[in-house]
Amino acid sequence: AQSVTQLDSQVPVFEEAPVELRCNYSSSVSVYLFWYVQYPNQGLQLLLKYLSGSTLVESINGFEAEFNKSQTSFHLRKPSVHISDTAEYFCAVSEDQGAQKLVFGQGTRLTINP
Amino acid sequence: DVKVTQSSRYLVKRTGEKVFLECVQDMDHENMFWYRQDPGLGLRLIYFSYDVKMKEKGDIPEGYSVSREKKERFSLILESASTNQTSMYLCASRVPGTGGIIYGYTFGSGTRLTVV
Repeated sequence: AQSVTQLDSQVPVFEEAPVELRCNYSSSVSVYLFWYVQYPNQGLQLLLKYLSGSTLVESINGFEAEFNKSQTSFHLRKPSVHISDTAEYFCAVSEDQGAQKLVFGQGTRLTINP
Repeated sequence: DVKVTQSSRYLVKRTGEKVFLECVQDMDHENMFWYRQDPGLGLRLIYFSYDVKMKEKGDIPEGYSVSREKKERFSLILESASTNQTSMYLCASRVPGTGGIIYGYTFGSGTRLTVV
């Protein structure tokens, strides 16, 4: 069965600074990888996903994540954050066979300070 | 776009009550999931279903059951609600990625359940 570990429960950064949110997964088969974002008092939104092809995937608001199979990682990065990026970020993995259930990490709360 | 609808946004129930949380999707998807979300714990899978009347336990099934009598509807049942089941409950449907549609998952808005 697959599992996901988000290494940081909270990440405080200053506005316009770069940020990396770390995610490692475990699985015995090929996987699909996702990052979801939850803004305060809102529902879960898909930020980006890796299904196949290029290992670097991007979102429309400047985030990117790179699938690293050898390190079983899918870290999320942004070169310059804004106050509006304050949210909780969840990494998730599903296996490409079987029930394909989506398993989440514990979440990382990103706080942007002015 | 796929729509996943959870019937209640907020619910308050008493300890010992039987509680039904309803989830409906409009795209004939086979796989549906129930999660609970708690601070610091992320989303944890309670149960999932891969077809009508087919269900499997997730990581935290204790105290819950599910029902899937029709493909579009997946119900989560708290047989006897307890205060430790106070949580946000999220339903999801898996988009199979066929017919030109990109694989993924669609989530409902969630039901915040408070058990008093």
